[in-house]
Formats: sequence, C-alpha cells, structure tokens
Amino acid sequence: AQKITQTQPGMFVQEKEAVTLDCTYDTSDPSYGLFWYKQPSSGEMIFLIYQGSYDQQNATEGRYSLNFQKARKSANLVISASQLGDSAMYFCAMREEGTGGFKTIFGAGTRLFVKA
Amino acid sequence: NAGVTQTPKFQVLKTGQSMTLQCAQDMNHNSMYWYRQDPGMGLRLIYYSASEGTTDKGEVPNGYNVSRLNKREFSLRLESAAPSQTSVYFCASSEKESRETQYFGPGTRLLVL
Repeated sequence: AQKITQTQPGMFVQEKEAVTLDCTYDTSDPSYGLFWYKQPSSGEMIFLIYQGSYDQQNATEGRYSLNFQKARKSANLVISASQLGDSAMYFCAMREEGTGGFKTIFGAGTRLFVKA
Repeated sequence: NAGVTQTPKFQVLKTGQSMTLQCAQDMNHNSMYWYRQDPGMGLRLIYYSASEGTTDKGEVPNGYNVSRLNKREFSLRLESAAPSQTSVYFCASSEKESRETQYFGPGTRLLVL
C-alpha cells in the first residue's frame, strides 16, 4: 500500500506567488516524522523541513512551512514568495520504524515550475 | 567535512557483470541507507543499516547485497547486473536523533546494457 502520496505530478506557479504542494501519508505508528526534500536538476537531494508527529505547531523554515493536519494525515508544503530557483522536484517523506531501525519512505514527487 | 561521498559517479555495465558502489560519510552518523531513483519516480529504499554491524532490507532489496564495513562506510553490491537495475543510486546517512534528517550523497548513475 502506498504510504506517501503526492497527487500532483507537476505544478506551475508565478514568481513571487505562494504555492502548496500536497502530501498525504499512511501509518499506524503514533510516532513518526515527516520531511520535505528538494531535488534540483543537478540531482542532489536537499533537506527543506521536518515535522514530528507530536509537534504542536506547524514547522517553518524561512520561506517554507509545513501545513500539518494530523487527523487528515496530510503534510502539505507551502512555499511563499516563489523564486525561479525553486523550480525543482519536491519529495515528501515519512520516517517510520522498521524491523532494523528507523527508515524513511519517499513519495513519487511533484515537479514545480516557477514562471517569470 | 565532505559529508556523504559516493564512488563512482557514473558506471556502464553489461548484463551479468558485478560491481560494488561505495559510500562513505564523515559525520559520525549511525544510520546509513541505499536508495534507487528511477526516471520520474521518487526514491525507493534498497537496504539500510541502523547502526554499525546491522543491515536490513528496504522496499526493493532483490538483486542487491550490502556491507556495513565500519561506521563510515556502507557498500552496495550488484552480483549480476540486469537492465532493470539501470537507475541513479543514492547513499544517505542520518544521526539517531528525533529528526533523523538524512544527508544524501551526489548519486551514482548506473546504466546496465
């Protein structure tokens, strides 16, 4: 069963506008972590933001914020004031406990295009 | 600090050949991971090692073996490469803390003909 679902294969946003990238997850573990990573065309994976399942407040890191709705099992990434350099693939991921320790499962990704 | 390094950066193999992908981290992290990323897809976990001396299967372990040589190094071996293993392979590491943010290497592009 799909544990991380990103329903938007591609998104367009005008420069300087805000954009929301959707992510839903599935787990029965009460303790988990949610991450967003950015992968530019150069290929490297860049950590953006983290939300713990017990965190009371939504995580924020500069222009990135995570809209965490625990009951709906969603962890959407909001990018404010989009910049051309934000054009990239964005992956949502969830840390869960495996038989050998913690492991992280990734969604299929959303490609974001920022228009000038 | 170099972070996470991977060698080689590119490799072309013929079907049936074997090779080992090397990964090393200098951040003193306990956990290390191997992922593959196929075109247009997210990362899928092949194997991981929660700590030195332990390894465990991820989502797609078939056709691969791993060795956690020491705390720094985690290698991935393809014993008999198949075209379906053409992919980009990423190594990552993380510290055993509440966030366990993963730090990724630059990736190895593997083409199996």
